[in-house]
Amino acid sequence: DQQVKQNSPSLSVQEGRISILNCDYTNSMFDYFLWYKKYPAEGPTFLISISSIKDKNEDGRFTVFLNKSAKHLSLHIVPSQPGDSAVYFCAAREGRNSGYALNFGKGTSLLVTP
Amino acid sequence: DAGITQSPRYKITETGRQVTLMCHQTWSHSYMFWYRQDLGHGLRLIYYSAAADITDKGEVPDGYVVSRSKTENFPLTLESATRSQTSVYFCASRRALNGGWAQYFGPGTRLTVL
Repeated sequence: DQQVKQNSPSLSVQEGRISILNCDYTNSMFDYFLWYKKYPAEGPTFLISISSIKDKNEDGRFTVFLNKSAKHLSLHIVPSQPGDSAVYFCAAREGRNSGYALNFGKGTSLLVTP
Repeated sequence: DAGITQSPRYKITETGRQVTLMCHQTWSHSYMFWYRQDLGHGLRLIYYSAAADITDKGEVPDGYVVSRSKTENFPLTLESATRSQTSVYFCASRRALNGGWAQYFGPGTRLTVL
């Protein structure tokens, strides 16, 4: 069963606008969340993370929001640039028992058009 | 800062053959992980290792064997390859960040089993 869900397989946004990627999770034991970006033929690249004790974390154009009561997080990219076109994975940490391994969503393919 | 390297990058093999995928990291991180990425599944954990000589199963370990005699190397072996093991394999290590941590991934090995 998929514990981390990215329900939008794809998203298209115009350059300069905001991109919002969404992620839902079912396991209330998740305590740390990450977003990764992946280009074709490359490994996932870490973007930004957030601990469950926070509700927002910013890093330049990227902001992650966490709503624990709704078990929902989102990644905002402002402004979007063509180089942001990639697949974005949401991931959640399960805890010590699994070696802090990550549960990944299936990914959302973002296309930023000029 | 070489990071994580994987070899080979591409491999074609036949059903029943033994295949070993190599992973090497230059950071001396304790935790290392193997994931596979398949269409419709995102990334799924195969095995992880907390340190040299300490390994444990992940979500999809069947048909795979790992070893970790040195901190920097974490090879993954398919003892008798099957077509269902055709996938892209990613190795990762866990790295501390300011106030948090993330997994950093290698470039991946695309394996085709005929």
